[in-house]
Amino acid sequence: DGGITQSPKYLFRKEGQNVTLSCEQNLNHDAMYWYRQDPGQGLRLIYYSQIVNDFQKGDIAEGYSVSREKKESFPLTVTSAQKNPTAFYLCASSILGGTVVEQFFGPGTRLTVL
Amino acid sequence: AQKITQTQPGMFVQEKEAVTLDCTYDTSDPSYGLFWYKQPSSGEMIFLIYQGSYDQQNATEGRYSLNFQKARKSANLVISASQLGDSAMYFCAMRGNEKLTFGTGTRLTIIP
Repeated sequence: DGGITQSPKYLFRKEGQNVTLSCEQNLNHDAMYWYRQDPGQGLRLIYYSQIVNDFQKGDIAEGYSVSREKKESFPLTVTSAQKNPTAFYLCASSILGGTVVEQFFGPGTRLTVL
Repeated sequence: AQKITQTQPGMFVQEKEAVTLDCTYDTSDPSYGLFWYKQPSSGEMIFLIYQGSYDQQNATEGRYSLNFQKARKSANLVISASQLGDSAMYFCAMRGNEKLTFGTGTRLTIIP
């Protein structure tokens, strides 16, 4: 089945440690996105990528880093510089195509920093 | 800059009744798309319905319809004959370029 996988579903880390969240898609989509969701809030864009080896900052990129070495993969690293990393993280992908195109979402990773 | 406003943090609706979830938006882009997503307690985002800014007719998908009033910049979601499984968070979103901007959501609870 085509889709987006994120692993793990729950992740616990100690304060001060970097952690990498995985996102893989087999939909052959060019664009991939990372969002953060806090309780009772909407989604906020962290980073996005429209092509391999290129990515752009979203609205809340500070304390995060990404890479896009393969079309299928867009891992997100939450660094120790992120002041409040505990949140629900969602990865999405889409074809390129302007305003019409919907984004498909993965199941999300809930990160808790202790 | 794009902005989406959802003014209803929570709603309670009796099963089988229709429900309208409000969404207003602001953008300077002449061309944009409006989306509604459902987020159950499990967390995944489920696409429900899409409306393009140049579409003449309101979008419909099964029990979902989008009441698009361009002059008022509103894109309300209407769910007909609500079911218990409709209980979830609902997000309105707008896409003006390659980025999607989300509202803060409405938590819908269907009462048996």
